[in-house]
Amino acid sequence: DIVMTQSPASLAVSLGERATINCRSSRTILLTSTNKNFLAWYQQKPGQPPKLLMYWATTRMSGVPDRFSGSGSGTHFTLTISSLQAADVATYYCQQYFAAPYSFGRGTNVEIK
Amino acid sequence: QVHLQESGPGLVRPSETLSLTCTVSGGSISPYYWSWIRQSPGKGLEWIGYMYYSGSTERNPSLQGRVTMAVDTSKNLFSLKLISVTAADTAIYYCARHGDYGDSNDLWGPGTLVTVSS
Repeated sequence: DIVMTQSPASLAVSLGERATINCRSSRTILLTSTNKNFLAWYQQKPGQPPKLLMYWATTRMSGVPDRFSGSGSGTHFTLTISSLQAADVATYYCQQYFAAPYSFGRGTNVEIK
Repeated sequence: QVHLQESGPGLVRPSETLSLTCTVSGGSISPYYWSWIRQSPGKGLEWIGYMYYSGSTERNPSLQGRVTMAVDTSKNLFSLKLISVTAADTAIYYCARHGDYGDSNDLWGPGTLVTVSS
């Protein structure tokens, strides 16, 4: 099984500052024939289900603000919020969908400093 | 606009069977894949399995064969059964759709809390 490790577990950032969340997979989730990384990022606010933010590691879902960006390939990935807004306070999860059983990271709780 | 809604008992006795249904409204259950995912404080988000509208399934081996999933295209719903439950199965259970983005989940139900307790 592929294990997803996220860091940090929690993060406090001032409004307008950058937030960076890391995610590492225990083996590659890059399909070389298509050059696609099978990684998604989700945002979850209290009392709500997760919301898909990014797929294929770097593609934003429609309607997601462009302050959110994804990067990385292979086994190391990053979600960056370029200028943190109050609406971004949430827990963020990475998920690999390269191989079943699909697996999630343990989450990163983002707060305002 | 497509919506998902989980339904089922909120309380299940230990050793009994957890049964949930996910109703899809505002759109068709085909030709998508559909997942069950659960979330507990101790284990975070855990993928239970997915199924195709035609009925083929993939399940998480960690659940040791306790999972059965089924689809009813005539009623536009799919279901989950988890047998021999224990307190460790207490969680919020979500149904979710696989969109056109690989097997990432672009649409989720609100979730339903299932507590396993006598």
